[in-house]
Amino acid sequence: EPEVTQTPSHQVTQMGQEVILRCVPISNHLYFYWYRQILGQKVEFLVSFYNNEISEKSEIFDDQFSVERPDGSNFTLKIRSTKLEDSAMYFCASSEAGVVYQPQHFGDGTRLSIL
Amino acid sequence: LAKTTQPISMDSYEGQEVNITCSHNNIATNDYITWYQQFPSQGPRFIIQGYKTKVTNEVASLFIPADRKSSTLSLPRVSLSDTAVYYCLVGDTGGFKTIFGAGTRLFVKA
Repeated sequence: EPEVTQTPSHQVTQMGQEVILRCVPISNHLYFYWYRQILGQKVEFLVSFYNNEISEKSEIFDDQFSVERPDGSNFTLKIRSTKLEDSAMYFCASSEAGVVYQPQHFGDGTRLSIL
Repeated sequence: LAKTTQPISMDSYEGQEVNITCSHNNIATNDYITWYQQFPSQGPRFIIQGYKTKVTNEVASLFIPADRKSSTLSLPRVSLSDTAVYYCLVGDTGGFKTIFGAGTRLFVKA
């Protein structure tokens, strides 16, 4: 079964540094998402992306965050100047186009630790 | 987006059937109901989705009454490996913005 893959599995970064989290969605999917989950808390929506532009974003997704689909397979989340509170699991997801509401397929996440 | 309410936690024993109910009083006409499962340190995994009445797959059943203001996820004969957090989501229009609630933490005991 095709799956969403995320790299790295764990990223440790100094506060103030830029970090890029990478995702390879399922190949025939056209909708892409990023979520985060702070330890012990619920999954929080960050942003959705379709047709090379952001479709929706949450209040968490401020100017420090950006997303990009640099080629036909990768989908990245960049945090420009990391803060301690950015420490969390970050999940990428993708879904098919077409049907009214499609289930999302999630990767196993990148654990981001800000020191 | 319709808000959902689920029990915070449930306990069960191996081999039992588990029913987790989700309330979504403000569900809209176009909304589908979707359930996800999440194990520690893993991403959520799609379990089942439905619009009305009953849906069954190899993993679970989903019961939705006529008024659609609630839904019940039924897990037959749970095992220890079904210990996880279960999320009920309600949404439409391609799911551009998906809101997860706190979920139900199911703990299956031997």
